[in-house]
Amino acid sequence: DAGITQSPRYKITETGRQVTLMCHQTWSHSYMFWYRQDLGHGLRLIYYSAAADITDKGEVPDGYVVSRSKTENFPLTLESATRSQTSVYFCASRERTDTQYFGPGTRLTVL
Amino acid sequence: AQSVAQPEDQVNVAEGNPLTVKCTYSVSGNPYLFWYVQYPNRGLQFLLKYITGDNLVKGSYGFEAEFNKSQTSFHLKKPSALVSDSALYFCAVRDPPQLSFGAGTTVTVRA
Repeated sequence: DAGITQSPRYKITETGRQVTLMCHQTWSHSYMFWYRQDLGHGLRLIYYSAAADITDKGEVPDGYVVSRSKTENFPLTLESATRSQTSVYFCASRERTDTQYFGPGTRLTVL
Repeated sequence: AQSVAQPEDQVNVAEGNPLTVKCTYSVSGNPYLFWYVQYPNRGLQFLLKYITGDNLVKGSYGFEAEFNKSQTSFHLKKPSALVSDSALYFCAVRDPPQLSFGAGTTVTVRA
């Protein structure tokens, strides 16, 4: 199906474990983004990518790692999960226009 | 940095009444402004955007937004609200390469 997908949709993990959240888009958009959504904070940018093999930090990058070896995929890894990383994570993409299109989100709980 | 503020955490209206969700912005240069809607357990959906031109922007699902430069506002409006409009609404501003989001306003439309 065309669009932007995220997996898993729900994840429960324990502190200290490594977790990878997947994001896949079928539009061949150049830009991809990872946001986290927390009550009272709206959406905050974690990392973004302007193209394959080009990534950069956003507002809250600590504790996260990204890669982008292919245009369509932009995985987000929590190297050692902490409780403060419990959140809902959204992936988004866009082309030259500024309108971003969002995936359905991954709800991550770190125990 | 570019930023937006949503002064109301919650808006409650009766079905059939006008709905307004407020947003103010702070930018250097010309503002590119957006509204998104998030239904429960879903990703953000694009509603409309203002780039330049007419101050009244029409979008999806019968929503429109009024850009007011003198008041630095970009309020979202719907003439007659539906119960199905109950959702979380986000205002955002282009802050290259990302969008910067407000904290969100929860809209509840009662039957």
